Amino acid sequence: DQQVKQNSPSLSVQEGRISILNCDYTNSMFDYFLWYKKYPAEGPTFLISISSIKDKNEDGRFTVFLNKSAKHLSLHIVPSQPGDSAVYFCAANAFGSGNTGKLIFGQGTTLQVKP
Amino acid sequence: DSGVTQTPKHLITATGQRVTLRCSPRSGDLSVYWYQQSLDQGLQFLIQYYNGEERAKGNILERFSAQQFPDLHSELNLSSLELGDSALYFCASSVAHNEKLFFGSGTQLSVL
Repeated sequence: DQQVKQNSPSLSVQEGRISILNCDYTNSMFDYFLWYKKYPAEGPTFLISISSIKDKNEDGRFTVFLNKSAKHLSLHIVPSQPGDSAVYFCAANAFGSGNTGKLIFGQGTTLQVKP
Repeated sequence: DSGVTQTPKHLITATGQRVTLRCSPRSGDLSVYWYQQSLDQGLQFLIQYYNGEERAKGNILERFSAQQFPDLHSELNLSSLELGDSALYFCASSVAHNEKLFFGSGTQLSVL
């Protein structure tokens, strides 16, 4: 049962343009969502998060949008830079439901930003 | 550097063998999580420990076990290894039941 899904395995974008990575979830108990970024030979690193009480959170070039009714979130990167080329994982947890803190991850989307 | 240390970085072994993966969490973090990343798959949650006690269990095989020691480091034991156990194993830690996890760089296990 894949509770968090990233349906696009890969995305290629030109430098300077917008990158949009998408994520869908099925568990309505999820109340906190995160994006992690992973470079080869490294562990995932936290990028940005959003609580279910918000619909948008922005941090520099990165913005996460949450559409609770559609159970969908997206990560926008503007402008995209070659250094953004990595695997991006969407993750969620049901923090307010007595969750232990474990995150449920999607399969990841490989972003390639071309110079 | 996340502050989470995993050893070894690479491990090559044969089917039927047993291995131990080690994780030292960030200083002050009480929760340790183990994840498995197989080819073309996302990060699959295996197990979580909090201050020495098992807190949550995911899709962990009976051949796998883990523990967290009094100094808060954790070990993941994989036994009767099969080819399909080849994967990248990540350890993560957090302060408590915190939403943000910090990951180590992983142990790449190859079962031949």
